[in-house]
Amino acid sequence: DADVTQTPRNRITKTGKRIMLECSQTKGHDRMYWYRQDPGLGLRLIYYSFDVKDINKGEISDGYSVSRQAQAKFSLSLESAIPNQTALYFCATSEDLNYGYTFGSGTRLTVV
Amino acid sequence: KQEVTQIPAALSVPEGENLVLNCSFTDSAIYNLQWFRQDPGKGLTSLLLIQSSQREQTSGRLNASLDKSSGRSTLYIAASQPGDSATYLCAVTDSSYKLIFGSGTRLLVRP
Repeated sequence: DADVTQTPRNRITKTGKRIMLECSQTKGHDRMYWYRQDPGLGLRLIYYSFDVKDINKGEISDGYSVSRQAQAKFSLSLESAIPNQTALYFCATSEDLNYGYTFGSGTRLTVV
Repeated sequence: KQEVTQIPAALSVPEGENLVLNCSFTDSAIYNLQWFRQDPGKGLTSLLLIQSSQREQTSGRLNASLDKSSGRSTLYIAASQPGDSATYLCAVTDSSYKLIFGSGTRLLVRP
């Protein structure tokens, strides 16, 4: 099994719908992150969590919310999806600054 | 605000060539720098992690250097192969523990 699992892998949804992207990790790390990637751009941070009681906004949090249900689970929600939220979404985890980040395989979201 | 820039945006080389990818960052107050590889439509694979106290890291044909004071890192790929074709992303962990990415260099190694 992958260290970081994202579901679904692909999703097409309509404008105005609520959608949840899920992430789970088996590495036992406290830190988890949600990133978004648009074509030709690097990854931009949406939200991050350093433990189950700590949730922080990243640089592009508007229109998104998150839930840290457990150390291993971190979900991203789009309350009312809009077309410019069409992107590739990545979840990641890290242990601490001495180690790198491990990324999931991504969720390709299309809002029509 | 930390900004990470990667040059060039795209690179095409013949197989066997040695090449250098560049990454620069605006704030030298970083904890570490990481190089990733991304294949089209896929996730990110970590290649090398350099702590702020280190000058370089090596893994096989890859060598990454870090000059924190000048805000620069380079990824050196020796004897390039078609299988090296991918997008290479540079990212720094900034002073607030967030990973900030550059927009990547798209590499094509021609057989």
